[in-house]
Amino acid sequence: GAVVSQHPSWVICKSGTSVKIECRSLDFQATTMFWYRQFPKQSLMLMATSNEGSKATYEQGVEKDKFLINHASLTLSTLTVTSAHPEDSSFYICSAADRDNQPQHFGDGTRLSIL
Amino acid sequence: LAKTTQPISMDSYEGQEVNITCSHNNIATNDYITWYQQFPSQGPRFIIQGYKTKVTNEVASLFIPADRKSSTLSLPRVSLSDTAVYYCLVGDAYSGNTPLVFGKGTRLSVIA
Repeated sequence: GAVVSQHPSWVICKSGTSVKIECRSLDFQATTMFWYRQFPKQSLMLMATSNEGSKATYEQGVEKDKFLINHASLTLSTLTVTSAHPEDSSFYICSAADRDNQPQHFGDGTRLSIL
Repeated sequence: LAKTTQPISMDSYEGQEVNITCSHNNIATNDYITWYQQFPSQGPRFIIQGYKTKVTNEVASLFIPADRKSSTLSLPRVSLSDTAVYYCLVGDAYSGNTPLVFGKGTRLSVIA
């Protein structure tokens, strides 16, 4: 079945550091990928839609200059948290569907901890 | 996307059948109903999807009444490893270009 892989699984870094998270579709091509954020004991919140070859679409309240998304190929989208601060600490998850009318598949998430 | 309502939490003993009901009164004609399971520190995992009546796979069954305003996820003979959060989502056949809108989910705790 369709597999979505995220890297890294865990990141711990100092405040002010920029962190890049990769989301890969391993056995299919995805023109669209989605990025979600999940705080402890809460549900997933959509951050942005990543579109291959074009600019990402951000949800209201998500700073596009803070969370840089690049979808340069049909199998890779990256989310860069720039100048991360402790309030950016969260669980970041990506998803993609291998074709229309098929359920989306999620990566295993990236736990980001900013000290 | 139609809003969904689920119980916040449920407890069950091992070996019992668990039924989690989701309300979606404003479901649209083109909407499908999809359930995901999420373990701590993991991404959600697809369980089952249906449009009407009953759908069954190796993991669960999904019961959808004729008016489609609710649905019930049935997990047969749960084990400790079924402890997770279960999300009910409703949307337009989940095309690859449609983001998912997650509600609060139901936290299932299975007790030995």
